[in-house]
Amino acid sequence: QLQLQESGPGLVKPSETLSLTCTVSGGSISSSYYYWGWIRQPPGKGLEWIGSIYYSGSTYYNPSLKSRVTISVDTSKNQFSLKLSSVTAADTAMYYCARLGSYFRNMDVWGQGTTVTVSS
Amino acid sequence: QSALTQPASVSGSPGQSITISCTGTSSDVGGYNYVSWYQQHPGKAPKLMIYDVSTRPSGVSNRFSGSKSGNTASLTISGLQAEDEADYYCSSYTSSITVVFGGGTRLTVL
Repeated sequence: QLQLQESGPGLVKPSETLSLTCTVSGGSISSSYYYWGWIRQPPGKGLEWIGSIYYSGSTYYNPSLKSRVTISVDTSKNQFSLKLSSVTAADTAMYYCARLGSYFRNMDVWGQGTTVTVSS
Repeated sequence: QSALTQPASVSGSPGQSITISCTGTSSDVGGYNYVSWYQQHPGKAPKLMIYDVSTRPSGVSNRFSGSKSGNTASLTISGLQAEDEADYYCSSYTSSITVVFGGGTRLTVL
């Protein structure tokens, strides 16, 4: 059964770069049928799509975050990663990784999420 | 991109049916049959309930159904149960090759 697990620092200082990794187990990240994505949820607020990546390295980003986001994939480790630069308190959120189908629909497998707090 | 519009809250009694709307534009909801719905219980990751407007993943109760008319998609839950109390989010593929979520709807089972 496919599982996703987020990992990374839970506390990041303002103006620094947030870095998270999602490890995929029970299946291959190199499947041609799926994309892989990051979604976040600030405390008490709704879901926000951050961006998605295909195993080949093609990336797609939320326009509102595009200037600060980099998503990459490491097929040898079955992992994909998120980097968000110049963070502020507004970036404090639960960060989820997920598997997406074509046209980014049916996010059918999600990680449990990891909380990231931006604070000095 | 602007978030899809959902009502902040809906409520219903056990056994009743409720419908949650999700309004977008011709560049997202109205332009593609790629609307999904997610259920999120407190402290949990979202769960896919409906995709491609009206398709239920394996294991999701047939009490959940989806539809679309123009720029508005809808999620209907029939035979409401206490366990259905949760937050519900719609999402849609967009013409900019992105995903946009709705603001979320809190369902209260009275």
